[in-house]
Amino acid sequence: AQTIHQWPVAEIKAVGSPLSLGCTIKGKSSPNLYWYWQATGGTLQQLFYSITVGQVESVVQLNLSASRPKDDQFILSTEKLLLSHSGFYLCAWSPGGDTQYFGPGTRLLVL
Amino acid sequence: GDQVEQSPSALSLHEGTGSALRCNFTTTMRAVQWFQQNSRGSLINLFYLASGTKENGRLKSTFNSKESYSTLHIRDAQLEDSGTYFCAAEAKDNNNAPRFGAGTKLSVKP
Repeated sequence: AQTIHQWPVAEIKAVGSPLSLGCTIKGKSSPNLYWYWQATGGTLQQLFYSITVGQVESVVQLNLSASRPKDDQFILSTEKLLLSHSGFYLCAWSPGGDTQYFGPGTRLLVL
Repeated sequence: GDQVEQSPSALSLHEGTGSALRCNFTTTMRAVQWFQQNSRGSLINLFYLASGTKENGRLKSTFNSKESYSTLHIRDAQLEDSGTYFCAAEAKDNNNAPRFGAGTKLSVKP
């Protein structure tokens, strides 16, 4: 069975500080991977997607970047956090562009 | 404008009753997915439809691409059904980035 993990579970960070969020998928080779952001009380918005290792496509510009250094790993990062980056970050995978399965998410509060 | 219009924004049900959630689309969608987000924030996949109707237990979903809508029916609601439900639709002319509805906050009461 496939499992998806995200880390950390939650973060409190200062404005201007760097950020790195991680996501790993086990039990599935070459999955499509996605990053989503959800503002508090809001809906979800896809940020990035990756079909293969080393390739990442940006969907929405939020002063964030993403990388896929390994087949089973997806990283979301920025060098300087903004207040507007606060929210809930979700990683998802799909076997091939259809049903998406989400990880448990990371709550981020930027102060 | 928004491509996915979800209604109602909030819904209160008594245990054992049922209702329907709806998403209307302003552009042609090739597929829709329904999720339940629980209190921890986890998104649980309920259905993925490219067309037609699917049923799973007390839940049933329909996607009509030609008439640009999808519905999620809940029957015999239980307390654990409480949460926020989202539809997410993939347009035919984009890179498969799904557009999420604003969500329906469902409260099931004893």
